[in-house]
Amino acid sequence: GAGVSQSPRYKVAKRGQDVALRCDPISGHVSLFWYQQALGQGPEFLTYFQNEAQLDKSGLPSDRFFAERPEGSVSTLKIQRTQQEDSAVYLCASSPGLRDSYEQYFGPGTRLTVT
Amino acid sequence: DAKTTQPPSMDCAEGRAANLPCNHSTISGNEYVYWYRQIHSQGPQYIIHGLKNNETNEMASLIITEDRKSSTLILPHATLRDTAVYYCIVSDVQGAQKLVFGQGTRLTINP
Repeated sequence: GAGVSQSPRYKVAKRGQDVALRCDPISGHVSLFWYQQALGQGPEFLTYFQNEAQLDKSGLPSDRFFAERPEGSVSTLKIQRTQQEDSAVYLCASSPGLRDSYEQYFGPGTRLTVT
Repeated sequence: DAKTTQPPSMDCAEGRAANLPCNHSTISGNEYVYWYRQIHSQGPQYIIHGLKNNETNEMASLIITEDRKSSTLILPHATLRDTAVYYCIVSDVQGAQKLVFGQGTRLTINP
């Protein structure tokens, strides 16, 4: 079956531009996560949704970062007024969210370069 | 979440067993040990997890010490496609919890 997909795969933005990154989770998955991965580092948690509810946004680095999942499926991560330090790979992961589900399924990521 | 410590890099010959260590001395009783790997330019991929007992699946084996303060991921017959960064993570709930990645171990399988 289809895995987690993300679009675009690559995005180049000029400093100060707004960007929107899309995540299509596996159909029926309740939980959705966003992570940020800087070059040479492990992924870092940004935010978590259970269906349409954003239950944890403690990892969002600033108020320029905003995520939504209005219908409990597709999610969008928006970054306003991009800065060079926002350059990273943005990973989306989904999980069934059931008590006995252990695995998070990751998409290929969107590589954002801010020039 | 408990912190994990892994060697930054390891090498292994193709066809041999790769043994990747992880220290998690502050792990608490309800925390699981998870292993993920990330092949270049891909998202992380789940490998295996365990609580107390040793576990085995089609990809790997996980050996957890009796005091649960360390574990070893074993790839029994490493292939070139196993070259990746391997992350050891501890988490206290199942898949609905955020994962706290460290730096991981960069494993290189040599022909």
